[in-house]
Amino acid sequence: QVQLVESGGGVVQPGRSLRLSCAASGFTLGSMHWVRQAPGKGLEWVASISYGNTDYYGDSVKGRFTISRDNSRSTLYLQMNTLRNDDTAVYYCARDSSSEGLAYYGLDVWGQGTTVTVSS
Amino acid sequence: DIQMTQSPSSLSASVGDRVTITCWASQSIASYLNWYQKHPGKAPKLLIYSSSFLQSGVPSRFSGSGSGTGFTLTISSLQPEDFATYYCQQSYSPPLSFGGGTMVEIK
Repeated sequence: QVQLVESGGGVVQPGRSLRLSCAASGFTLGSMHWVRQAPGKGLEWVASISYGNTDYYGDSVKGRFTISRDNSRSTLYLQMNTLRNDDTAVYYCARDSSSEGLAYYGLDVWGQGTTVTVSS
Repeated sequence: DIQMTQSPSSLSASVGDRVTITCWASQSIASYLNWYQKHPGKAPKLLIYSSSFLQSGVPSRFSGSGSGTGFTLTISSLQPEDFATYYCQQSYSPPLSFGGGTMVEIK
């Protein structure tokens, strides 16, 4: 069964760090993405890692977040440093349905999301 | 960076209505445009990819069209389960920006 399961969310103080994990099953990791939704807001693309391990970031997280993968564990990660209040959101990992480019054919499998709350 | 703008931001409609949502890109993105449906508390669901291709398992009442900078998502006959928020996303170049969303509410 094709599935993504996120973990690692929680409550953290501003300036601290958190690492999210996304365990994949039923398929081999290709290009993968993190997308978030802040309370009452729309979807925001956060980061992507291509099949060839090139990483890309949204402007709001560049320099603070790092996306990575461990293919042997079929797990995607998001290391989040220097967290801010406006990083509070539900974070989703998603599979890229394309074997070329980034999201050319959309993000077709999503996890259930993990909640990150940044608050003092 | 490419900006995506959706209109309207919300709409009210009845079951059986035809609904059209528009998405505009700040520059040409060819046909690299995807549409998602999101219900509160649920993960997004891919509906349409590459502007007009229906994702497997998605009902045929959903359709997409457009290229360049203007795109539309049409629901031909709105069903109760279609009341949700819809997002477009460009996949032409990173950052892979989303539109602001269109909430479809029950009239």
